[in-house]
Amino acid sequence: QKEVEQDPGPLSVPEGAIVSLNCTYSNSAFQYFMWYRQYSRKGPELLMYTYSSGNKEDGRFTAQVDKSSKYISLFIRDSQPSDSATYLCAPSGAGSYQLTFGKGTKLSVIP
Amino acid sequence: GAGVSQSPSNKVTEKGKDVELRCDPISGHTALYWYRQSLGQGLEFLIYFQGNSAPDKSGLPSDRFSAERTGGSVSTLTIQRTQQEDSAVYLCASSLTENYGYTFGSGTRLTVV
Repeated sequence: QKEVEQDPGPLSVPEGAIVSLNCTYSNSAFQYFMWYRQYSRKGPELLMYTYSSGNKEDGRFTAQVDKSSKYISLFIRDSQPSDSATYLCAPSGAGSYQLTFGKGTKLSVIP
Repeated sequence: GAGVSQSPSNKVTEKGKDVELRCDPISGHTALYWYRQSLGQGLEFLIYFQGNSAPDKSGLPSDRFSAERTGGSVSTLTIQRTQQEDSAVYLCASSLTENYGYTFGSGTRLTVV
């Protein structure tokens, strides 16, 4: 079983839709959960950062972590064409500088 | 600089040749990371530098891969005797400390023919 599983998509939604992106993980030591956004031919950029279980909201983006089920979600409200990118989840353990990346989900928001 | 700079942005090389990839981290960032992103795969950790400490080389896939960081700033990733399976995007990232706010460069797209 891979440490981080993420549906690669592609996922195509109309502009204004609510998008749900998800990851599952196997390592119970993970405590930090990051979401990165990667545009084509660019490096990933940090989008959201969450510690332990719970929700974190930043504008149109909400990150949710359920450690009991080892499930990570990213919700995008009122999706925009500019949100079209690949979204990577990346959990990490305490005291670890290594991130374990999912393969990423490619999202297209259609105007 | 304003961001992490990587050069070259693209590199095509013949199988068996050596290549050098360069990373200029954000000024003042003490931590530097190299990752590899292959088509359809997630990012794979290669190596980590922190200040003057010995680097963590645990992710390097073979002894053909090596990296150094001079003066705590610029880093060079060297791949000797390149193979076709080395074709990937090589990403460098830096951070101010051992935290999770990596800033990535745009990567070097390496193609081995």
